[in-house]
Amino acid sequence: AQTVTQSQPEMSVQEAETVTLSCTYDTSESDYYLFWYKQPPSRQMILVIRQEAYKQQNATENRFSVNFQKAAKSFSLKISDSQLGDAAMYFCAYRRANSGNTPLVFGKGTRLSVIA
Amino acid sequence: EAGVVQSPRYKIIEKKQPVAFWCNPISGHNTLYWYRQNLGQGPELLIRYENEEAVDDSQLPKDRFSAERLKGVDSTLKIQPAELGDSAVYLCASSLVDRGAYEQYFGPGTRLTVT
Repeated sequence: AQTVTQSQPEMSVQEAETVTLSCTYDTSESDYYLFWYKQPPSRQMILVIRQEAYKQQNATENRFSVNFQKAAKSFSLKISDSQLGDAAMYFCAYRRANSGNTPLVFGKGTRLSVIA
Repeated sequence: EAGVVQSPRYKIIEKKQPVAFWCNPISGHNTLYWYRQNLGQGPELLIRYENEEAVDDSQLPKDRFSAERLKGVDSTLKIQPAELGDSAVYLCASSLVDRGAYEQYFGPGTRLTVT
């Protein structure tokens, strides 16, 4: 079974600074997708960024970027120029590919605080 | 485009009482998921529907939980009777079965408190 591990229960960052959230996963599959989701207090899960395992290039979305290390099974999220609105729970998630719309497997999350 | 709609947003019940949650997925999305999120944890799948067929319900506690998705659109998740350990957020998500599509869209969830 696939597992996702987030080793940082809580992180904090000063406004306008950069922070990196860690995620490791375990799978025997070669083709899969990885995601970072943001969950603010409203509970709405919002997709931040996604990475296809077959792509070597790291995904970027504006201030958000990932460091995908397939051999190490590591998938960290870097948030640059942190803003107060970035404060939320962040979940790393894995989904197996080539099997229809398989469900997401989530880590336990990292709570990010942004200090003004 | 309207997002995934869930109701109610909050529900407080006494143990042994029944409770039901409703989900309306994004129009045209044929895959629907129910996840349960315990406090301080990530969501975990309860059941997945492809159209009206439940294709993955291995994590659904079938002695007390039931779900249905009539006509492959709306879905209802029921618990009867509820236990204290069922207190959690119940999230509904939907997606479109397509080799190129992989994003799941989540609703705001229902926070259940069992007293």
